[in-house]
Amino acid sequence: QKEVEQNSGPLSVPEGAIASLNCTYSDRGSQSFFWYRQYSGKSPELIMSIYSNGDKEDGRFTAQLNKASQYVSLLIRDSQPSDSATYLCAVGDSGNTPLVFGKGTRLSVIA
Amino acid sequence: GAVVSQHPSWVICKSGTSVKIECRSLDFQATTMFWYRQFPKQSLMLMATSNEGSKATYEQGVEKDKFLINHASLTLSTLTVTSAHPEDSSFYICSASPPGGPTGELFFGEGSRLTVL
Repeated sequence: QKEVEQNSGPLSVPEGAIASLNCTYSDRGSQSFFWYRQYSGKSPELIMSIYSNGDKEDGRFTAQLNKASQYVSLLIRDSQPSDSATYLCAVGDSGNTPLVFGKGTRLSVIA
Repeated sequence: GAVVSQHPSWVICKSGTSVKIECRSLDFQATTMFWYRQFPKQSLMLMATSNEGSKATYEQGVEKDKFLINHASLTLSTLTVTSAHPEDSSFYICSASPPGGPTGELFFGEGSRLTVL
């Protein structure tokens, strides 16, 4: 059974701070890693994907992957109240296979 | 990103009735679509993989006779919840991955919230 673990939170950070979200996964053969943002009552929205070890930056978001430790993280710089949402970590194999999701971490950015 | 659309967004039905949810890929052809279900404060759980022109593959514990999936074209998959009961009330979300796009990158429909009275 493939598993993806996340701290459920809530994680509260002040506006302008860095929010750090973490995720671990059980399947060492996983090839693709994603972060989705889900607002309450809405479907998930893809914000970052990462496939190789190291950092990947996109605007205020940085994804970090360490396959040896089976760990993936998401940093949100200059956090805004609009970033308040649940962040889902998802892990997949190669090809067109379904993703396995963590339970999500609820982030609250306090103005 | 790619566009996946679901309909209806909300549906309320009486216990024992059947409900059909449509999932369309608007700007790409999807040979495979995935149906997820999400209960309140829970994560997304994969229900089944919908394959164009062939039978769907269901996850363990998901009743294929209750959750009928039809993927009749490259842009449309439907999920029919048959003889719905209150415990089927949930948020149903479909997803697909555009061909030629980054490996495994899934795009989700808006979701369909089902309430069974």
